[in-house]
Amino acid sequence: AQTVTQSQPEMSVQEAETVTLSCTYDTSESDYYLFWYKQPPSRQMILVIRQEAYKQQNATENRFSVNFQKAAKSFSLKISDSQLGDAAMYFCAYGRPFGNEKLTFGTGTRLTIIP
Amino acid sequence: NAGVTQTPKFQVLKTGQSMTLQCAQDMNHEYMSWYRQDPGMGLRLIHYSVGAGITDQGEVPNGYNVSRSTTEDFPLRLLSAAPSQTSVYFCASSGRVDYGYTFGSGTRLTVV
Repeated sequence: AQTVTQSQPEMSVQEAETVTLSCTYDTSESDYYLFWYKQPPSRQMILVIRQEAYKQQNATENRFSVNFQKAAKSFSLKISDSQLGDAAMYFCAYGRPFGNEKLTFGTGTRLTIIP
Repeated sequence: NAGVTQTPKFQVLKTGQSMTLQCAQDMNHEYMSWYRQDPGMGLRLIHYSVGAGITDQGEVPNGYNVSRSTTEDFPLRLLSAAPSQTSVYFCASSGRVDYGYTFGSGTRLTVV
């Protein structure tokens, strides 16, 4: 069974600085998707970024980018120029659209932004 | 475009009562799932569906029932509520081609 591990329960960063959240996963498949979701205090789950395993290029969305290391089964999220609105729980997730359609989540990392 | 709509947002039940959490999506997504979120445990899958008429169990299915009679709707039934089912429940949907789950706003359920 697939597992997703987030080893940093909490992280903090100064406003305007850069922070990296870690995620590792375990799978025997070669074709899959990885995601980062953000959950602010409002409780809403927001898709931040998506990476398809067959794509070697790391995904980016504005200030958010990933470092996808397929061989190492590592998928970290880098947030540049951190803003107060980035404060949230961040969840890493794994899924496959054909064969394992459901998502498997890590336990999350709580990110605090220090003004 | 409403996305994924969950009702109710809050609910208090007495032990032994039954209820249905509603979930509807208007994106014509094939995949739908129910998760529960408990402190320190991330999101755990309860049941999921890959299309109308098809459902399967997730990681924590006991005490819950689902059906998927239409593409749009995926209700979650609590058969006999227990305090251990106190949690936040999320419904989510995804397309098969444009794969990436969209979540509803959640239901906070308290069983007393």
